[in-house]
Amino acid sequence: SQTIHQWPATLVQPVGSPLSLECTVEGTSNPNLYWYRQAAGRGLQLLFYSVGIGQISSEVPQNLSASRPQDRQFILSSKKLLLSDSGFYLCAARDLWDTNTGELFFGEGSRLTVL
Amino acid sequence: RKEVEQDPGPFNVPEGATVAFNCTYSNSASQSFFWYRQDCRKEPKLLMSVYSSGNEDGRFTAQLNRASQYISLLIRDSKLSDSATYLCVVRGNTGFQKLVFGTGTRLLVSP
Repeated sequence: SQTIHQWPATLVQPVGSPLSLECTVEGTSNPNLYWYRQAAGRGLQLLFYSVGIGQISSEVPQNLSASRPQDRQFILSSKKLLLSDSGFYLCAARDLWDTNTGELFFGEGSRLTVL
Repeated sequence: RKEVEQDPGPFNVPEGATVAFNCTYSNSASQSFFWYRQDCRKEPKLLMSVYSSGNEDGRFTAQLNRASQYISLLIRDSKLSDSATYLCVVRGNTGFQKLVFGTGTRLLVSP
């Protein structure tokens, strides 16, 4: 099964500072990769997804960006954080060949507080 | 209207009780349905897929009603360890087949 490593686990950043969250995947190749955000009391919001190296699709307009420099590496970035960027960020992967369960494997998440 | 809607709860039940959650979805062309479980401040994990004919996994039973566009999760003989948030997840029929998550229903099982 897949293992998702995500870091850092927790961070507190001032408004206007940059952000970089990293995610790596083990146990599969050429997975679909996703970045979700979960704000307090709200559901998971899909931010970005990627079907391959260098291929990024954005679901919502925002001041965040994503990159996939390697098959099993997915990075979420921002040049200048806003207060509204606070939340629980989750990286997820789905095996391209898994058409049965459609299961998403999640990393342990990165909890971001912007002050 | 939200794509996937759930009662946020919380549902407070005693140990041993039977509890049921419903979830409605708006896209009639949705193809796949799932229940995920999320513990407090943790990542979601797949609990079970929901099949058209309904399916059971131990104390958990999931059902799909396509005509009324809702899915349900029934938990029998609730355990303290069942306390969590249960997320309803629907996969669309577009080329990418995006998974859409509900906001979750919180369950609290007390002794």
